[in-house]
Amino acid sequence: DQQVKQNSPSLSVQEGRISILNCDYTNSMFDYFLWYKKYPAEGPTLLISISSIKDKNEDGRFTVFLNKSAKHLSLHIVPSQPGDSAVYFCAANRDGNQFYFGTGTSLTVIP
Amino acid sequence: NAGVMQNPRHLVRRRGQEARLRCSPMKGHSHVYWYRQLPEEGLKFMVYLQKENIIDESGMPKERFSAEFPKEGPSILRIQQVVRGDSAAYFCASSLRRVSPDGSNTEAFFGQGTRLTVV
Repeated sequence: DQQVKQNSPSLSVQEGRISILNCDYTNSMFDYFLWYKKYPAEGPTLLISISSIKDKNEDGRFTVFLNKSAKHLSLHIVPSQPGDSAVYFCAANRDGNQFYFGTGTSLTVIP
Repeated sequence: NAGVMQNPRHLVRRRGQEARLRCSPMKGHSHVYWYRQLPEEGLKFMVYLQKENIIDESGMPKERFSAEFPKEGPSILRIQQVVRGDSAAYFCASSLRRVSPDGSNTEAFFGQGTRLTVV
């Protein structure tokens, strides 16, 4: 039962443009959401996170938006850079317990 | 403060052998998660453990796979009688359960993974 879903397996964006990665979840009890970035042959690393008491969190070029009514999460990267090319995983948890991950979106930023 | 350590980084096993993957969580972390990434696929949850307890093993195959997180020492993911389909990258993550008044929560820190190849 996939509680966190990323329906786009891949995304290509021109350098300098905005990248928008989407994530949907089914469990309304999730209270914390995270985006992880993964390069080949490395473990995922945390990029940005957001609590369910907020609807937006910004860190430099990265912004995460949370729409609780739609159970939808998105990551915006602007401007996109070639170094942003990686696989991005959306994750959620509740009360600091088990993490649930999406299947990932492979982002390619074209120079 | 060392991160999550997984060893070995690469493991080659012949069909029918046993594979043992080790994960040392970050210092002070009592929650461990194992994930598998098959070629061209995303992270698939396998098992969630706290010290000496399996909390959720709903992602573990029913046979040949087992996991433990003893009171002392690393967490071990054990695969008996490996088959070619077990070839994958296995990632371990650890976390410190923490919920703060401002809503911030814990994150899971990942190791670099063990790449298992079954020949």
